[in-house]
Amino acid sequence: EAGVAQSPRYKIIEKRQSVAFWCNPISGHATLYWYQQILGQGPKLLIQFQNNGVVDDSQLPKDRFSAERLKGVDSTLKIQPAKLEDSAVYLCASSPMRATGYAGANVLTFGAGSRLTVL
Amino acid sequence: SQQGEEDPQALSIQEGENATMNCSYKTSINNLQWYRQNSGRGLVHLILIRSNEREKHSGRLRVTLDTSKKSSSLLITASRAADTASYFCATLLSGGYNKLIFGAGTRLAVHP
Repeated sequence: EAGVAQSPRYKIIEKRQSVAFWCNPISGHATLYWYQQILGQGPKLLIQFQNNGVVDDSQLPKDRFSAERLKGVDSTLKIQPAKLEDSAVYLCASSPMRATGYAGANVLTFGAGSRLTVL
Repeated sequence: SQQGEEDPQALSIQEGENATMNCSYKTSINNLQWYRQNSGRGLVHLILIRSNEREKHSGRLRVTLDTSKKSSSLLITASRAADTASYFCATLLSGGYNKLIFGAGTRLAVHP
């Protein structure tokens, strides 16, 4: 099966500019995640969608970050305006939808990530 | 905030040696997973252990889980240079949707 596709792979912008990242999950995966990974740290969950609804965005800086999932498939993460501390890799992941407790449903497949550098 | 904390932060060993990484977490979990990340790449799932399991094997990987101590360990036996990567534990929190929280990771370097 095709993997999780992300674009662009690399983006360099100046602070206060805007940027958008795109993610296409594995076909049929209902749950989509966006994680932020700062250099040397573990991934931090920004937002989680189940189909096209948001189930968790508690760590999304909503004053500058926004995300949507179109028709429950593709997703876009936007940052406007960007700050220096937003420099990170933005990882998209997807997983199948099952009831909580079904082990196989909880395994995430990650894309290669989009590396953002804010100057 | 991070749910899991890995120990050590970095590990350097020779090929053929075993590598052990530990993970501690804070709240009740449904399962615990280990992922691997090669430099500049996305994360790849390695192994999942459920909260009612104590040990699991997959090839050269052995994972243990002690829910009373809220800790897990990942053992890689007979390591190879290709095992050089960062390893992350991730916990699936009990209740609600499939929210997976990652730790800070252990950077493993295996020298030929």
